[in-house]
Amino acid sequence: EAGVTQSPTHLIKTRGQQVTLRCSPISGHTSVYWYQQALGLGLQFLLWYDEGEERNRGNFPPRFSGRQFPNYSSELNVNALELEDSALYLCASSSTGTNEAFFGQGTRLTVV
Amino acid sequence: GESVGLHLPTLSVQEGDNSIINCAYSNSASDYFIWYKQESGKGPQFIIDIRSNMDKRQGQRVTVLLNKTVKHLSLQIAATQPGDSAVYFCAETRTQGGADGLTFGKGTHLIIQP
Repeated sequence: EAGVTQSPTHLIKTRGQQVTLRCSPISGHTSVYWYQQALGLGLQFLLWYDEGEERNRGNFPPRFSGRQFPNYSSELNVNALELEDSALYLCASSSTGTNEAFFGQGTRLTVV
Repeated sequence: GESVGLHLPTLSVQEGDNSIINCAYSNSASDYFIWYKQESGKGPQFIIDIRSNMDKRQGQRVTVLLNKTVKHLSLQIAATQPGDSAVYFCAETRTQGGADGLTFGKGTHLIIQP
């Protein structure tokens, strides 16, 4: 069974640009979570999608947004990129009501 | 604000010894505590979780202990192996399934000495 897959694996963008990251959850999982793992800051919760709806978001500005599609895959969009947005962006999926979230390998975003 | 943190950034142990990784949390409303392992270049991997109404939970070679009185969480790894080398994160959430998002500590890097 395929795990959580994310694309692209690496990305370099210029400050002010926009970026879209993609995530495919494990088959059967309806919940998708996005986390930012910046150097020295640990993992920070960004967004939670379930059944196509945004259910919760962390303490991030509105330029971080996303969506979940009918097949439960998800996109994370970041507008007006700033240097501090350089980080590993991790997607996780889980079955509703469980703590066992499965993470993808992440997308390494570098903003220059 | 409330957060989850780890006592030591790096822990070095001899292969075959037991490892104990500690975590302090401050959100008394947290109901679930989870340990993740992150190997280099990979996403975090779920190890074990424990609910706040429990003191101890055991898995395969791992034991999680929860002391709510002092808001302390620990992960014990028995007979540490080279494959245990990784960064270990504790995380907490108020709701099963992490609906409010997991709050992670900064991580402890476990190094296994041959």
